[in-house]
Amino acid sequence: QVQLVQSGAEVKRPGSSVKVSCKTSGGTFSTYTISWVRQAPGQGLEWMGRIIPIADITNYGQKFQGRVTITADKSTSTAYMELSSLRSDDTAVYYCARHGPADVTWFDPWGQGTVVAVSS
Amino acid sequence: QSVLTQPPSASGTSGQRVAISCSGNSSNIGRNAANWYQQLSGTAPKLLIYGDNQRPSGVPDRFSGSKSGTSASLAISGLQSEDEADYYCAAWDDSLNGWVFGGGTKVTVL
Repeated sequence: QVQLVQSGAEVKRPGSSVKVSCKTSGGTFSTYTISWVRQAPGQGLEWMGRIIPIADITNYGQKFQGRVTITADKSTSTAYMELSSLRSDDTAVYYCARHGPADVTWFDPWGQGTVVAVSS
Repeated sequence: QSVLTQPPSASGTSGQRVAISCSGNSSNIGRNAANWYQQLSGTAPKLLIYGDNQRPSGVPDRFSGSKSGTSASLAISGLQSEDEADYYCAAWDDSLNGWVFGGGTKVTVL
């Protein structure tokens, strides 16, 4: 059974960066796309971007272009999402999710989520 | 403002049928499959319906999905108390070159 385990909660100052990890276990890593989705308090889901590890191909949501970087370490089956120039409205739960057997399919499973709080 | 439009809330009594709509356009739902996710309070979302109308293993058959044109729909037949959750639709958008979500629908069992 595939599991995605994310790194722990973070508290950051405005203007700084945060890097969240997402380790895959129990299944193949390189051939499955990983997406990052965030959820602000009391709000809905928002797609940030994705990576296809085997090809090192990434693309990002328009809102996050220039501020987010998604990478993957195939040797440790871990994906990373780094968000820079943090603002208070970046306070959210950040999820990673694995795609289905092709890139444009669905998200399953999801990681448990990582809380990122941005506060001065 | 979400790209996909869902009603903010829906409700029903135990055993009733509830339907949730998800309206998109020709770049997303009109061209690509719709997926639905269930999010119980305080937990990560879970895949509920994929490919417009397919249920993953383990999802009860009281959940069903359908699509017509640029709109998708999720139905819950025989509503149960454990179905109280937020439900999100999602689809790939060819114009935005990214995934888009609905704003979510909170289902309450009265």
